[in-house]
Amino acid sequence: SQQGEEDPQALSIQEGENATMNCSYKTSINNLQWYRQNSGRGLVHLILIRSNEREKHSGRLRVTLDTSKKSSSLLITASRAADTASYFCATAQTNAGKSTFGDGTTLTVKP
Amino acid sequence: GAVVSQHPSWVICKSGTSVKIECRSLDFQATTMFWYRQFPKQSLMLMATSNEGSKATYEQGVEKDKFLINHASLTLSTLTVTSAHPEDSSFYICSARDPVGFGNTIYFGEGSWLTVV
Repeated sequence: SQQGEEDPQALSIQEGENATMNCSYKTSINNLQWYRQNSGRGLVHLILIRSNEREKHSGRLRVTLDTSKKSSSLLITASRAADTASYFCATAQTNAGKSTFGDGTTLTVKP
Repeated sequence: GAVVSQHPSWVICKSGTSVKIECRSLDFQATTMFWYRQFPKQSLMLMATSNEGSKATYEQGVEKDKFLINHASLTLSTLTVTSAHPEDSSFYICSARDPVGFGNTIYFGEGSWLTVV
């Protein structure tokens, strides 16, 4: 079964607002990555956070990781219409060595 | 940073033919690579784990004879969809594990779109 679960499944906001997506996972991980996928396109790597890190920033993106709760969040600040896409988290599992994806959050940013 | 390259990005093939997708780690040696499949509007599902020099490990429900995986070198894994049918049309993506450094980081390719007509 898939390792991760994301919520919400769908999120619709106005341009300029912040968007927060959450990812929960089940097993111990080495790192967690967030990806964006525009409709009909491939994956675009956004950010990687390692298991010994708690927070990471990249431009308008802020990622947190709570290994005790086995969860991560992705915050997009001052959203733009171009941020409209599906967002996935992918975990690199410690023991199995696999990396599996969450179900994804579909973000719609209305201009 | 490390890069994983997939080729081709897009491929159209006729029903009944076979098609090969390549996954290369460009600046690191990957003893382990992974193949995923994505159905429309769904998440990516792990199909198999490809180990250099040995047989791939397939996830439950994935047909080994249908999806042939060959990890011939430390930088190349291939996925061959044999006797393709329209229902095999999908987005296929690979990832490769960099064993050097902290946490065995896994890097993903950009994916390959397969359309079987």
